[in-house]
Amino acid sequence: QKEVEQDPGPLSVPEGAIVSLNCTYSNSAFQYFMWYRQYSRKGPELLMYTYSSGNKEDGRFTAQVDKSSKYISLFIRDSQPSDSATYLCATLKIKAAGNKLTFGGGTRVLVKP
Amino acid sequence: DGGITQSPKYLFRKEGQNVTLSCEQNLNHDAMYWYRQDPGQGLRLIYYSQIVNDFQKGDIAEGYSVSREKKESFPLTVTSAQKNPTAFYLCASSTDQRAEQYFGPGTRLTVT
Repeated sequence: QKEVEQDPGPLSVPEGAIVSLNCTYSNSAFQYFMWYRQYSRKGPELLMYTYSSGNKEDGRFTAQVDKSSKYISLFIRDSQPSDSATYLCATLKIKAAGNKLTFGGGTRVLVKP
Repeated sequence: DGGITQSPKYLFRKEGQNVTLSCEQNLNHDAMYWYRQDPGQGLRLIYYSQIVNDFQKGDIAEGYSVSREKKESFPLTVTSAQKNPTAFYLCASSTDQRAEQYFGPGTRLTVT
């Protein structure tokens, strides 16, 4: 079982719809949670970064973390064709020997005009 | 402009040859990382470095080597011992290991 699971998609939505993305993780030691956006053939770009349960909002993006159920979500409101990309969730575990960032496999999103 | 640069964008090599991928950052970040990305598998950590002259193996270090002689630079060598070297290679950096990582544009390596 992978430590971080993500549905690969593709997830296709019409322009203006809400995009809902989810990840589950297995290790309760994960302390920090991130969402990255990756356009085709480009490096990932950090969208959201949080370390606590609850919601964090930034413009059209809302990240939600539920540590009790080991579930993290990203919502994109008023989706645009430019939001078409692969979205990667990631979790960070703090260790004395060196911290480790673990990624999900990514969900491909397609926003149709 | 501050950022991470990786060169070249595309790289082609013959099987059996070693190849070195460049990663430079001018963000004054202490920590640097190398990941490999294969279709549908997300990013997997190859090597990371917390400070100059120190680096640690990640999850898939076999067949790879790195050096960290300068804070700004963290080159990755893909050796002939790496059985499946064709992949998209991403370099990242962060202020320290607790902080979010910022990625370069990547190098797509094709070995035939």
